[in-house]
Amino acid sequence: DGGITQSPKYLFRKEGQNVTLSCEQNLNHDAMYWYRQDPGQGLRLIYYSQIVNDFQKGDIAEGYSVSREKKESFPLTVTSAQKNPTAFYLCASTPGRNTGELFFGEGSRLTVL
Amino acid sequence: AQSVTQPDIHITVSEGASLELRCNYSYGATPYLFWYVQSPGQGLQLLLKYFSGDTLVQGIKGFEAEFKRSQSSFNLRKPSVHWSDAAEYFCAVGGNDYKLSFGAGTTVTVRA
Repeated sequence: DGGITQSPKYLFRKEGQNVTLSCEQNLNHDAMYWYRQDPGQGLRLIYYSQIVNDFQKGDIAEGYSVSREKKESFPLTVTSAQKNPTAFYLCASTPGRNTGELFFGEGSRLTVL
Repeated sequence: AQSVTQPDIHITVSEGASLELRCNYSYGATPYLFWYVQSPGQGLQLLLKYFSGDTLVQGIKGFEAEFKRSQSSFNLRKPSVHWSDAAEYFCAVGGNDYKLSFGAGTTVTVRA
């Protein structure tokens, strides 16, 4: 079945450690996104990528990094510079411009101990 | 800048009763508007979307939404709620680019 796979589903990290969240899609979509979700704040855009080897900062990119070396993969690294990394992270993709509709993975919950 | 306001944080409705969730948006051009639903610990699923044309949009699971440009609103409705409709609902706005902005969400509780 086509879809978006995020891993791991749950992740625990000590303060000062970097952690990478995986996002893979087999929908042949051009654009991919990372959102952060906190209670009462909805979804906030971290980074997005329209094509391979290109990506743009979203509204809350500080403390995060991404890469887009392959069309189907868009990993997110939460660095030690992110002051409040405990959150639910959602990866999404869309076929391209003018569609708007996002297809979401099931999310990864990161907890910093 | 684009933004979405969902005025109701939490709504409780009886099973079989009607449901309306409010959404107001701010966008500088003709918006694309969406409603998504999220079950606990899951990703989001698209309920319906508005791009152009008929301002009353039908979606999945018996939901509909009406675009009112004069009020900058895109309210979601369902005539008769089922227990399985208990979830969090998000309104989103975007345009002819790759970015969507989401509201803070409305949690719906369904009582028997």
